[in-house]
Amino acid sequence: QITLKESGPTLVKPTQTLTLTCTFSGFSLSTSGVGVGWLRQPPGKAPEWLALIYWDDDKRYSPSLRSRLTITKDTSKNQVVLTMTNMDPEDTATYYCAHWAIVASDSFDPWGQGTLVTVSS
Amino acid sequence: QSALTQPPSASGSPGQSVTISCTGTSSDVGGYSYVSWYQQHPGKAPKLIIYEVTKRPSGVPDRFSGSKSGNTASLTVSGLQAEDEADYYCSSYAVINNYVFGTGTKVTVL
Repeated sequence: QITLKESGPTLVKPTQTLTLTCTFSGFSLSTSGVGVGWLRQPPGKAPEWLALIYWDDDKRYSPSLRSRLTITKDTSKNQVVLTMTNMDPEDTATYYCAHWAIVASDSFDPWGQGTLVTVSS
Repeated sequence: QSALTQPPSASGSPGQSVTISCTGTSSDVGGYSYVSWYQQHPGKAPKLIIYEVTKRPSGVPDRFSGSKSGNTASLTVSGLQAEDEADYYCSSYAVINNYVFGTGTKVTVL
């Protein structure tokens, strides 16, 4: 059974850097064809894809946020970390990490429970 | 990158069918056989119910089906049940943005 869980601050101030950690079980990021993605969902709005890291350490970022995002993995700890710089109140959202597999490469399944991040001074 | 267009709401009585559309462009929905659908209940994470336009993950009832014609994908829920009341989001691989989501449709079971 694959599970993922996000952790990090629930409140950040404008201009600060957000660091979120995804801790997962049930798969290994050293296995070929596997990845972990980050997505977010502002309150009452649709999800938005942010970043994806693959088993071979290749990375993809949303073009609109690329300059602010960094995704890394620690295979030994079964963790993926997302950092987002220069946080703004518009970045207030529930942030999710999710499992990706090449056999269903257009989708993310399953997702973690999500963590709500509020950006406010 | 613009979001995919979905109707804000859809409804049906128990046992009926409801179909949700998802309209994009030739750079996303129309260009690839990579459309997925997610179901989201209030306060919960999205759950994958359709991938690669028509495929259902293990455990998803066959009441859920997907299709695509040109730049528009569709999700049909047959034999509506109370537990199908939720928000539904489409998503497509996109040449520029990798993954783009739809605006979302709230399905109400009357």
